[in-house]
Amino acid sequence: GPKVLQIPSHQIIDMGQMVTLNCDPVSNHLYFYWYKQILGQQMEFLVNFYNGKVMEKSKLFKDQFSVERPDGSYFTLKIQPTALEDSAVYFCASRPTFSGNTLYFGEGSRLIVV
Amino acid sequence: GEQVEQRPPHLSVREGDSAVITCTYTDPNSYYFFWYKQEPGASLQLLMKVFSSTEINEGQGFTVLLNKKDKRLSLNLTAAHPGDSAAYFCAVSGYAQGLTFGLGTRVSVFP
Repeated sequence: GPKVLQIPSHQIIDMGQMVTLNCDPVSNHLYFYWYKQILGQQMEFLVNFYNGKVMEKSKLFKDQFSVERPDGSYFTLKIQPTALEDSAVYFCASRPTFSGNTLYFGEGSRLIVV
Repeated sequence: GEQVEQRPPHLSVREGDSAVITCTYTDPNSYYFFWYKQEPGASLQLLMKVFSSTEINEGQGFTVLLNKKDKRLSLNLTAAHPGDSAAYFCAVSGYAQGLTFGLGTRVSVFP
């Protein structure tokens, strides 16, 4: 089926540094999402993005977070600066325009902030 | 906003037995309902999406029931086998919003 690719799969970073998580969505998809999952807990919605703009974001999407997709390249989540509580697995998802809101998830990027 | 409650948080099932996971939600305008399966270290695999009222949907080795009147969604694993050991998440959304997930149910199938 359709595949969403995420790079890196794992990253360890010092608190206060910047990190960029990359997502290569399914090629004809136009809606993109980031979710955060702390180990063993539920998936929590961070943000969705369409046509170059943030459409909706949750209270978890702090000021230190930003998203962009410059010129159809990777859809990125940047955290600057990182905090210990940002340690989690971040899942990217995408969906086509007419899909009944069905999201296709990547395999996640595990971020450890030390 | 939407609240989704999923129970139970953990489930041990003997191989060949059935098991039921239930989610209740609060927003009466919820439109799409999903069950995802997540194996350890892997991403979410869509098991089924439903959007009709009170409906039984059969998949491979499971049945999904949606009752919009009671705002309840359930996943019934029939004749569990070791490959069913995973975390299962329900998710609910409006027509085009982000999904709200339940807390998940960790299922262990033992011989």
